[in-house]
Amino acid sequence: GNSVTQMEGPVTLSEEAFLTINCTYTATGYPSLFWYVQYPGEGLQLLLKATKADDKGSNKGFEATYRKETTSFHLEKGSVQVSDSAVYFCALSDASGGSYIPTFGRGTSLIVHP
Amino acid sequence: EAGVAQSPRYKIIEKRQSVAFWCNPISGHATLYWYQQILGQGPKLLIQFQNNGVVDDSQLPKDRFSAERLKGVDSTLKIQPAKLEDSAVYLCASSRQRTAGATNEKLFFGSGTQLSVL
Repeated sequence: GNSVTQMEGPVTLSEEAFLTINCTYTATGYPSLFWYVQYPGEGLQLLLKATKADDKGSNKGFEATYRKETTSFHLEKGSVQVSDSAVYFCALSDASGGSYIPTFGRGTSLIVHP
Repeated sequence: EAGVAQSPRYKIIEKRQSVAFWCNPISGHATLYWYQQILGQGPKLLIQFQNNGVVDDSQLPKDRFSAERLKGVDSTLKIQPAKLEDSAVYLCASSRQRTAGATNEKLFFGSGTQLSVL
C-alpha cells in the first residue's frame, strides 16, 4: 500500500536559518505529492504540491521538488521566520487501481526561535 | 468563501458512551473525508464520500464507527460505544468533484473535533 515517511521532530531553528524537512514515499502508481501545514489551533491547509517528476512546488518561500528516482519530496526554505512555527505534513494521492486515497505522513513540528 | 465547518470543537466522554461529530463541507464540494489524527501521528483516513456514496471505508472500525452523508452535503460521524483508544482529533475535509484519474485536487480541512475518552 501507499505510505509516507517524514523525519521525526521537533525541528528547532533560529530565525533566518535554513530549513529542510525530509519526506520519502512509497506508492503503487504515479502519485501527486503535497505539503500541508497546520498552524496552532487551525486546520491543515495546503502549502504546495507537485504532480509529476522534477516538478517544483513553491509557496511562501517554501519549495519542494518531486524526485521520482529517490521517491522523495523534501521541503526547504532558505530563511525561516518565527511565524513559520507549525506542524508540516507530507502527503500523496494516487489514483492507481481505481482508488484515490490521500495518504499523510505523521507530521514534523517546526519551532523557530527569534 | 466559507470553509469547512465542524462541531463540536471539543468533546469529553466516558468509555462506552456514544458521541457524534458533524461536518459541513465547502459549498459545491462533492468529496468529503473523515480522518482520525491520534496525537503524534498523521491523519488516517476513516471514510471517503463522493456525493452521498461511500468511496472507501476500508479503515473504518465498523463495529463501533458509522458515518453518513444522506443528502450529499453535510455529514455525521458516530462512535458507539467509545473506547479509550478513540481519543484523537477527528478531521473533516472536502474537495471538488473528483474526475477519473485526477490526483492533484487539494483538500480543504476543518479545524477538527478533539475527542477525549476517559
